[in-house]
Amino acid sequence: SQKIEQNSEALNIQEGKTATLTCNYTNYSPAYLQWYRQDPGRGPVFLLLIRENEKEKRKERLKVTFDTTLKQSLFHITASQPADSATYLCAPANSGNTPLVFGKGTRLSVIA
Amino acid sequence: SAVISQKPSRDICQRGTSLTIQCQVDSQVTMMFWYRQQPGQSLTLIATANQGSEATYESGFVIDKFPISRPNLTFSTLTVSNMSPEDSSIYLCSAASGGKVGELFFGEGSRLTVL
Repeated sequence: SQKIEQNSEALNIQEGKTATLTCNYTNYSPAYLQWYRQDPGRGPVFLLLIRENEKEKRKERLKVTFDTTLKQSLFHITASQPADSATYLCAPANSGNTPLVFGKGTRLSVIA
Repeated sequence: SAVISQKPSRDICQRGTSLTIQCQVDSQVTMMFWYRQQPGQSLTLIATANQGSEATYESGFVIDKFPISRPNLTFSTLTVSNMSPEDSSIYLCSAASGGKVGELFFGEGSRLTVL
């Protein structure tokens, strides 16, 4: 069966450091992979989408990599700030018409 | 982009009753979905709401328990029927616009507590 694993439930880092979150998947051949942010009591918010033919995507302080051989995506936040504290969810998808299935998420806490 | 409004935002319900959650999108969207998020857990897909036809349910979810309507391209409802305390959860409506690969937009969720 398809499985999505995000490296840890919680990650604590010091302000200013780079946070790296991992998303591993099995029994998927995703055409693309998305990352979302969810704050407590709110719905998830889209951050980035990376396609299978893209190795890396950047948006401001965010960077996502996608290794289809390793079946893994890494999500980096550089120069992290306390405002980056949230739960981050990954969602690989085989095609554009399938609904998204999410990993359990990693709760990031950036400590000032 | 799309802005999604859900109501109610929260409710406390008695066991055995049913509650209908409404989801309104501010623009026409091709696909709408319903998710459940239990406390401390990630999102679980309940079903895809299909416009003008029956919803497509994921394994473990059935129409009798979670009837869904989608009468047009901007509106959907999810009913949680014959509720039990195990149905206490946040229910989230989401939508994808444009029929292409892209982001999902989410409502703020409806937090249901069943006593």
